[in-house]
Amino acid sequence: EVKLQQSGDELVRPGASVKMSCKASGYTFTDYAMHWVKQSPGQGLEWIGTIIPLIDTTSYNQKFKGKATLTADKSSNTAYMELSRLTSEDSAVYYCARYGSWDWFAYWGQGTLVTVSS
Amino acid sequence: DIQMTQSPASLSASLGETVTIECLASEDIYSNLAWYQQKPGKSPQLLIYYANSLNDGVPSRFSGSGSGTQYSLKINSLQSEDVSIYFCQQNYDSPNTFGAGTKLELK
Repeated sequence: EVKLQQSGDELVRPGASVKMSCKASGYTFTDYAMHWVKQSPGQGLEWIGTIIPLIDTTSYNQKFKGKATLTADKSSNTAYMELSRLTSEDSAVYYCARYGSWDWFAYWGQGTLVTVSS
Repeated sequence: DIQMTQSPASLSASLGETVTIECLASEDIYSNLAWYQQKPGKSPQLLIYYANSLNDGVPSRFSGSGSGTQYSLKINSLQSEDVSIYFCQQNYDSPNTFGAGTKLELK
């Protein structure tokens, strides 16, 4: 069974950074890209970017370049996303997600809530 | 970026009713469209992909149709467990983009 287990909710100060994780199980980690999606009340769902763990290649939504950095650790089957220079606009739930047999998000993590507040 | 416009933003329907949700793309997406269901406090779940293909385990009362720029999700015989927010998503062009969502409630 494919599972994407995300790290816990975060409360962070404006201007700080936060790094969250997504631990994959139930499949070969390097066989699939890992995607990240932001869900905020004002902006709905937004695709942030993706990382191909096999070759450590990343692709970002232009909107999130410079904001998000995606990495992956093949030894622990874990993908990471770091968000930098946080503002209130970054307060949201962040999901990791994986394609299924076709290029659609068939598997999702449970989400990590990031709250940016002083 | 391709804009996805969903309508209505919310709707209220009775048990057993048939409901339809629409999604309009800002350009032709050649049926590269999916529908997701998101229950309160949960992650989105894939219902339909390539406009009309039912994902494994999804009840047959859900169906998708459309082409070009216009797509729809139909739910026949509405059940209480269908109360959710529904999103459309295109992956024809990068970045893939989502509709703003339709909140479905019981009347």
